[in-house]
Amino acid sequence: KAGVTQTPRYLIKTRGQQVTLSCSPISGHRSVSWYQQTPGQGLQFLFEYFSETQRNKGNFPGRFSGRQFSNSRSEMNVSTLELGDSALYLCASSLAVGDGYTFGSGTRLTVV
Amino acid sequence: GDSVTQMEGPVTLSEEAFLTINCTYTATGYPSLFWYVQYPGEGLQLLLKATKADDKGSNKGFEATYRKETTSFHLEKGSVQVSDSAVYFCALPKGNNAGNMLTFGGGTRLMVKP
Repeated sequence: KAGVTQTPRYLIKTRGQQVTLSCSPISGHRSVSWYQQTPGQGLQFLFEYFSETQRNKGNFPGRFSGRQFSNSRSEMNVSTLELGDSALYLCASSLAVGDGYTFGSGTRLTVV
Repeated sequence: GDSVTQMEGPVTLSEEAFLTINCTYTATGYPSLFWYVQYPGEGLQLLLKATKADDKGSNKGFEATYRKETTSFHLEKGSVQVSDSAVYFCALPKGNNAGNMLTFGGGTRLMVKP
């Protein structure tokens, strides 16, 4: 059974650019969530999608957005990149509330 | 609001030593509780979970008991191995369990020496 797949694994972008990260959940999982991990702030929730609808949103500026497609694949976008956006972005999928997540290996974004 | 507090690391142990990583939480009601592990260069893996008070979650020799009296979910292992070196995160569902959001503790780095 394939796990959660995130692409790309690594990205280097320049301040002011935008970036799109992709996540393919485990087959059958309709809930997809995104987290940002940094040494200073730890793991912070970005947003959760379920059946193409954003169900929950964390406390991030509007530059961070996401979407989910009918096949449950999800993308997140960060516009007008700042140095502080450098982080490991983790995607996770789940079958049901309370089941816990299965995480992907993450996309490491470096903003220079 | 809901929160999770973990002991700060790093925790350095010799192989076969006993491990305890403390986790306490603040939450409304009695949510499920989780331990995740992150190996270098990888994402998080669900290590174990408990869904109600007094439940004991266990996996790969690790155990944690959901104790509502002390609002704790401490992770234990009787004999650690070098391969257990990783960062461990305690987590609970955020809000009212509507949807899948997790609040994580700050993580505890474990280093096991041969």
